[in-house]
Amino acid sequence: QSVLTQPPSASGTPGQRVTISCSGSSSNIGSKTVNWYQQVPGTAPKLLIYSINQRPSGVPDRFSGSKSGTSASLAISGLQSEDEADYYCAAWDESLNGWVFGGGTKVTVL
Amino acid sequence: QVQLQQWGAGLLKPSETLSLTCAVYGGSFSDYFWGWIRQPPGKGLEWIGEINHSGGTHYNPSLKSRGTISLDTSKNQFSLRLRSVTAADTAVYYCAREHRGVNRFDPWGQGTLVTVSS
Repeated sequence: QSVLTQPPSASGTPGQRVTISCSGSSSNIGSKTVNWYQQVPGTAPKLLIYSINQRPSGVPDRFSGSKSGTSASLAISGLQSEDEADYYCAAWDESLNGWVFGGGTKVTVL
Repeated sequence: QVQLQQWGAGLLKPSETLSLTCAVYGGSFSDYFWGWIRQPPGKGLEWIGEINHSGGTHYNPSLKSRGTISLDTSKNQFSLRLRSVTAADTAVYYCAREHRGVNRFDPWGQGTLVTVSS
């Protein structure tokens, strides 16, 4: 069971906006920054969003992140077929003194 | 552009020791932390531990002191050893560069599937 809680799945049609939530606690999301990783099946995770809402070079601006209290969200606007993947949130946990991840959300483009 | 390439034995018997190595190509080795993360088949990601450029380590308590991460700065490599493996340790293991300050894992190695089976 993951420390951070994500919905197992999300879906949308091309062009739609999809939002993925990530719920934590005061020892992780509540006090620390949040990162998001995208994993296409069979490949390694790739950094998608860091420091809540920063995009690494090369990540399209239709991916955005936000945080409120002990929860964070990833939004994909203008959903495209290549966005089909698993998405994981991650944060440093002060109680564990280590990284914790969400269980992952599988995004399907209908 | 930094690339991480990892290797190690893919099939182990229960009670054996898992051993993986990750080589870092390009970029600075000493300015970062270096981490290991694993992913059981069909499941999510689990942080294993990290090592800094001075050799200081930090592990997930769930490993119950079975893990050791080490550094070879002369080769720009770092390694993971996990003792007394069981079927529960079957997973794809990833190495990754960990940025500190603006904390994040980027990039990741290609992953190594380690299967523990008698």
